[in-house]
Amino acid sequence: DSGVTQTPKHLITATGQRVTLRCSPRSGDLSVYWYQQSLDQGLQFLIQYYNGEERAKGNILERFSAQQFPDLHSELNLSSLELGDSALYFCASGRDSRDEKLFFGSGTQLSVL
Amino acid sequence: AQKITQTQPGMFVQEKEAVTLDCTYDTSDQSYGLFWYKQPSSGEMIFLIYQGSYDEQNATEGRYSLNFQKARKSANLVISASQLGDSAMYFCAMREYTGRRALTFGSGTRLQVQP
Repeated sequence: DSGVTQTPKHLITATGQRVTLRCSPRSGDLSVYWYQQSLDQGLQFLIQYYNGEERAKGNILERFSAQQFPDLHSELNLSSLELGDSALYFCASGRDSRDEKLFFGSGTQLSVL
Repeated sequence: AQKITQTQPGMFVQEKEAVTLDCTYDTSDQSYGLFWYKQPSSGEMIFLIYQGSYDEQNATEGRYSLNFQKARKSANLVISASQLGDSAMYFCAMREYTGRRALTFGSGTRLQVQP
């Protein structure tokens, strides 16, 4: 068990809908990262938050947004969903040190039908 | 530009034998970290091993070792005494310490351990 909790584990929805994925980092970790894993794109970095503030942005679409709350949990909001958004979404947490090992949650499998 | 290259989409190894998974990387930073993660069929990402660019010795963690050749920009993972439970996808990743600090992942290598 990595200590990172992601909910829900599975999500099935329709095109055009909006969903929210939730992540609770490991105790003591201030950084939260979101990654998307798909067969054609591999593991893509979406966005990082550190102690409530956006730290870095990757290949995140404008239809997607995220935030980190004062209790350090994070949510990834995906809107106007398209078939191509179907993927495994991972949250990872770390201590933002140079040799930081990211600990990943078990992921949310999103299926857009 | 591709930052992390894993040229072996799939590998087979006999149980109890050693196997090397290749990884090359591209960076102009002097300071960076290299990581290997394992993803079993259940889907979770499991950290295996870390190597810092200034570390003089190759990293080892149990049956895992990282063969770091800085001049060649390679960071190969060596798994000794393979076990059936080692069958999984393996991802090489890099963090450049200047600029963005997120991990960049390679495309992965699927390892199958045969009895």
